[in-house]
Amino acid sequence: NAGVTQTPKFRVLKTGQSMTLLCAQDMNHEYMYWYRQDPGMGLRLIHYSVGEGTTAKGEVPDGYNVSRLKKQNFLLGLESAAPSQTSVYFCASSYGAGRILISYEQYFGPGTRLTVT
Amino acid sequence: RKEVEQDPGPFNVPEGATVAFNCTYSNSASQSFFWYRQDCRKEPKLLMSVYSSGNEDGRFTAQLNRASQYISLLIRDSKLSDSATYLCVVNPSGTYKYIFGTGTRLKVLA
Repeated sequence: NAGVTQTPKFRVLKTGQSMTLLCAQDMNHEYMYWYRQDPGMGLRLIHYSVGEGTTAKGEVPDGYNVSRLKKQNFLLGLESAAPSQTSVYFCASSYGAGRILISYEQYFGPGTRLTVT
Repeated sequence: RKEVEQDPGPFNVPEGATVAFNCTYSNSASQSFFWYRQDCRKEPKLLMSVYSSGNEDGRFTAQLNRASQYISLLIRDSKLSDSATYLCVVNPSGTYKYIFGTGTRLKVLA
């Protein structure tokens, strides 16, 4: 099993350009998440999905859109990139979440390093 | 107050030392707790889940104190390879969100 994979690994964009980050998981997980990680701020949730065809906003959703057309894939789009979106982006998935007496860990992809100039 | 708080460190310890980290959380409905390890420029990887009764995995021991709302991680006989950032993660019941601390940096020195 590949686990969680992300493409691309690195990208440099100019302000105003658009791009899509792809996350794929082969563990049949229902829940998928997109985070960004900035120095000193920890992981912040951008958007998440609790199943195919569903998405929801996280803590910092502005400037991003997502889609979950297939259970195994979760796409993160930047319509008009800004320098403030320079960050490391991590995708994660889990079998479940928020249950009493059952803990579900998240599995992370290797990350995408995005620089917006 | 942050939902999950950790001492950022760094904790600089010699090889073979015992080191402990604490993490406090604010949501009393929290049910699932985890410690993740993150190496520089890499993704977080699960170190261990934290259970109410406490749990141990080799040199690592995790404890949960619900009354005081904190979890702890104890590392015995530190190795150079333990140098990393340790993230405390909380998943409150009834929510799909995982809340991450900003991490505690550990440096084990030869």
